[in-house]
Formats: sequence, structure tokens, C-alpha cells
Amino acid sequence: AQKITQTQPGMFVQEKEAVTLDCTYDTSDPSYGLFWYKQPSSGEMIFLIYQGSYDQQNATEGRYSLNFQKARKSANLVISASQLGDSAMYFCAMREGLDSGYSTLTFGKGTMLLVSP
Amino acid sequence: EAQVTQNPRYLITVTGKKLTVTCSQNMNHEYMSWYRQDPGLGLRQIYYSMNVEVTDKGDVPEGYKVSRKEKRNFPLILESPSPNQTSLYFCASSPTSGVHYNEQFFGPGTRLTVL
Repeated sequence: AQKITQTQPGMFVQEKEAVTLDCTYDTSDPSYGLFWYKQPSSGEMIFLIYQGSYDQQNATEGRYSLNFQKARKSANLVISASQLGDSAMYFCAMREGLDSGYSTLTFGKGTMLLVSP
Repeated sequence: EAQVTQNPRYLITVTGKKLTVTCSQNMNHEYMSWYRQDPGLGLRQIYYSMNVEVTDKGDVPEGYKVSRKEKRNFPLILESPSPNQTSLYFCASSPTSGVHYNEQFFGPGTRLTVL
């Protein structure tokens, strides 16, 4: 079974609108972390936001927020007031076993977001 | 400037010709990792290293070798490249404790084409 599922291969949004990118995850570990990365057309991987499984509040970083629903095992990325520069591929990722020491990242297949004027 | 560097950034080669992609980080990170990115498959981990002389297989290690003789360097070696190794490769590093514990720092990527 896939550990990270991103069901939207592509999303379109108009400038200044909000958009939600879906991510569901599968783990039986109580201690894990969820990440979102942005990959613009230039190719680099840019870290956006992090949510720990024990965090009480949803993470926010500027226009990015993570809608964390633990019971549903979802960690959707919400981008408010989209900008043309938000057009990129977005990856959700997870690290498990945070209580046991360092562990590796598992990535989803990504969602391509296109922002139109 | 804190960074992860990879060389070369672009490489076109032929089947069977050994090649090495270098990766270096200047942040004294313990953890380093190699990923390949293919359309529709996301990033898949090839190998990772928790520290000097400690390496382990990721999800897709076949056809690759790595070494970690120094903390800052983690080269990826393709002994006999094949066309199915045509991909975009990323090196990443991370501390295993401290403020940036939960973040991986990525290199700029190496686009490899094997003919």
C-alpha cells in the first residue's frame, strides 16, 4: 500500500483564489511528521511546511497552511490568495518513527498546480 | 552560504560507461540521501547514509552504489548505466537533531540521460 497518496495529478486555480491540495497518508506509527515541498519548473525542491503528529495546532507559514485531520489521515495543503508564482509541482511527504530516532522521507507522486491570471 | 551542491547538473552518457554524480554539503549534516524523480512516480529513495561509513538501501537501489568516506560528501556511482536510469536525481541532507531536524535540504538536481 502506498504510504502517501496524492489523488490530484493536476489542479487549476485563478489568481487570488485559495486552493487545497490533497494528501492522505498511511501509517500505524503514532509519531510521524508530514511535509510539503514545492518544485517549480526550474527543478529545485523547496520546503514549505511541516506538521508533527503530536502538534495540537495546524501548521501555518505565510500563505500556506496545513489542514491536518489525524483521524482521517489527511494532511492537505491550503494555499490562500494564489499567485502566478505558485504554479509548480507540489509533493507531500512523511517521516515515520520520530520517537525512534531519525528516519527517511517517503514522497507522494505529486500534484501539478497551475495558476491562471 | 549553507547549501547542497551536485555535479554535474546535466549529463548525457551512453549505456555501460561508468559515471559518478557528486554531492557535497557544507552544513555538517549527519544524514544524506539520494533520490530519483520520474514523471508520475514522485521521488523515490535510492540510498541513504546516517553518518560516515554508514549507508543503507532505499526503495530503488538496483544499479547504484554510494560511499560515505567523509561527512560532507556522498557520491552516487552508476557502474554500468542503462537507459532506465535516465532520470532527475536529487541529493539531500539533514541534521539528525536540532532546530532543522525536520527539514531536508535538497541539492539543485542532476538531469541524467543514458542513451
